[in-house]
Amino acid sequence: QKEVEQDPGPLSVPEGAIVSLNCTYSNSAFQYFMWYRQYSRKGPELLMYTYSSGNKEDGRFTAQVDKSSKYISLFIRDSQPSDSATYLCAMSESGSARQLTFGSGTQLTVLP
Amino acid sequence: NAGVTQTPKFQVLKTGQSMTLQCAQDMNHEYMSWYRQDPGMGLRLIHYSVGAGITDQGEVPNGYNVSRSTTEDFPLRLLSAAPSQTSVYFCASSSGLNNEKLFFGSGTQLSVL
Repeated sequence: QKEVEQDPGPLSVPEGAIVSLNCTYSNSAFQYFMWYRQYSRKGPELLMYTYSSGNKEDGRFTAQVDKSSKYISLFIRDSQPSDSATYLCAMSESGSARQLTFGSGTQLTVLP
Repeated sequence: NAGVTQTPKFQVLKTGQSMTLQCAQDMNHEYMSWYRQDPGMGLRLIHYSVGAGITDQGEVPNGYNVSRSTTEDFPLRLLSAAPSQTSVYFCASSSGLNNEKLFFGSGTQLSVL
């Protein structure tokens, strides 16, 4: 079993829809949680960063962490075609860059 | 502001050939790293460096060498390419080892025949 599981998709939604992307994990020591967005043929870019449990909102994006369920989510409101990308979750115990564990990514397409 | 620059973008090698993937960053970041990305596998750490002259192995280091002679550059060398090394390679940097907010380059797509 992988340490971090992420549904690969692909996921297609119409423009304006609310999108929910999820990761589950098995290591209860994870405390730092990130979402990266990766456009086709580009490198990942950091989208959201949260520490421990709770919610964090940034514009149309909301990151949610439920440590009791070992489950994290990224919600995208009013989705746009420009949100079409692969979304990677990443997490670590200590905040060390060396110890980041990445999910395999969910491919999202927002249809105009 | 260039950020992290990787060259080449694409490369085809024959089994047994060697090559160097280049990575340079202009953000004065101490921490630099190399990942490979394979379908269904997520990003896996190959090697990393916490500063000039200091390198260490990641999760999948076999078949790869690195060196860090300057803060800016962190090349990845494939010593004798194998088909199993067909992958997309990403260089990433951050301001320190204890800062997991990584900045990635655009990647090198490598095919080994």
